[in-house]
Amino acid sequence: QSVLTQPPSASGTPGQRVTISCSGSSSNIGSNTVNWYQQLPGTAPKLLIYSNNQWPSGVPDRFSGSKSGTSASLAISGLQSEDEADYYCAAWDDSLNGWVFGGGTKVTVL
Amino acid sequence: EVQLVQSGAEVKKPGESLRISCKGSGYTFTKYWIGWARQMPGRGMEWMGIIYPSDPDTRYSPSFQGQVTISADKSISTAYLQWSSLKASDTGMYYCARLDYGGDSLDYWGQGTLVTVSS
Repeated sequence: QSVLTQPPSASGTPGQRVTISCSGSSSNIGSNTVNWYQQLPGTAPKLLIYSNNQWPSGVPDRFSGSKSGTSASLAISGLQSEDEADYYCAAWDDSLNGWVFGGGTKVTVL
Repeated sequence: EVQLVQSGAEVKKPGESLRISCKGSGYTFTKYWIGWARQMPGRGMEWMGIIYPSDPDTRYSPSFQGQVTISADKSISTAYLQWSSLKASDTGMYYCARLDYGGDSLDYWGQGTLVTVSS
């Protein structure tokens, strides 16, 4: 059971917009920034969004993040076949004194 | 280019010891914290602990305190995760990751080390 809650799956057709939610609590998302990771099959997680809505170098702006209260979301606009992957949210938890993660959302491009 | 390269997959028996490694390159190894996380099917990612190779200040998740040892050898830019007596429940994929300079994100990850513990 992951500390942060994500839907297990999401899907869309090429070109569509897909949104993934991430729900936490006051000790994690409510008081710290949220990061999002993309994990392609058999590979390491790749940082996609940091500090709620910032892009690391090289990440296309089709990916965007937002946060409100104890929830966050990742949006993928102009969905492409190469976006098929697992997406995870993460945040520091002040009570657990460590990083906590969502269970991951598998995005399928139909 | 920042890289974290982990050691290869391991197959061990219960009760055996194990140390896996994570070698950093492309940045000043002693200036960044390195953390470890476990990923198990159906259980998502779990934070294990973190080390600052320069000191080395080491902090553990309560879930893993006493179960593993995190260490680092700054002379060879390598962090380690060690078990003294493996259990079947330690089976999983283990990742190292670098904490960015501001402490806001785990910005670079190793490729993962699969540990299988089975009699």
